[in-house]
Amino acid sequence: RKEVEQDPGPFNVPEGATVAFNCTYSNSASQSFFWYRQDCRKEPKLLMSVYSSGNEDGRFTAQLNRASQYISLLIRDSKLSDSATYLCVVNGRGSTLGRLYFGRGTQLTVWP
Amino acid sequence: EAGVTQFPSHSVIEKGQTVTLRCDPISGHDNLYWYRRVMGKEIKFLLHFVKESKQDESGMPNNRFLAERTGGTYSTLKVQPAELEDSGVYFCASSQRQKNSPLHFGNGTRLTVT
Repeated sequence: RKEVEQDPGPFNVPEGATVAFNCTYSNSASQSFFWYRQDCRKEPKLLMSVYSSGNEDGRFTAQLNRASQYISLLIRDSKLSDSATYLCVVNGRGSTLGRLYFGRGTQLTVWP
Repeated sequence: EAGVTQFPSHSVIEKGQTVTLRCDPISGHDNLYWYRRVMGKEIKFLLHFVKESKQDESGMPNNRFLAERTGGTYSTLKVQPAELEDSGVYFCASSQRQKNSPLHFGNGTRLTVT
């Protein structure tokens, strides 16, 4: 079983739409959770960390459900510039922060 | 602040040849990581340096891969001899010593073994 599972999409939405991505992880002892964004042929970049209480950064809201081992990302009022691949990332049990487990990513295209 | 830089950006080699990838982390970052993305798969951890010491190399696929970080600054990842399945994008990342410091990734080296 993979450490992190994501719906690969693609998601194609119009500008202004709200879109949600989901992710599940297999290691119940994981302690740190993130959403990364990766543009085509570029490096992954940290979008936001995900905290147990849920957190928001502008149009982006992340939620964590430890009981279900489920992470979500909600993007409101989508912009053309949001088009990218969104990677769900967790760290493993007992590992340093740097040993991260990545999902395959969910591809988002926002059209005008 | 300069980011993580990787060289070369692309490399095409024949099976059996040797390739060395280089990573220059952000200055002052003690932690340096190598990750790899094989086509169609997720990004996977290879190894982690703290300064010049290998903290965790459990993700290295086999003994054809050798990573070094002499002096605790830049790092190299050598593949010898390269096989077809080694093709992919190799990412380097670095972070500060503090716990929960975010990782900063380089642009990656796209390796093609023919």
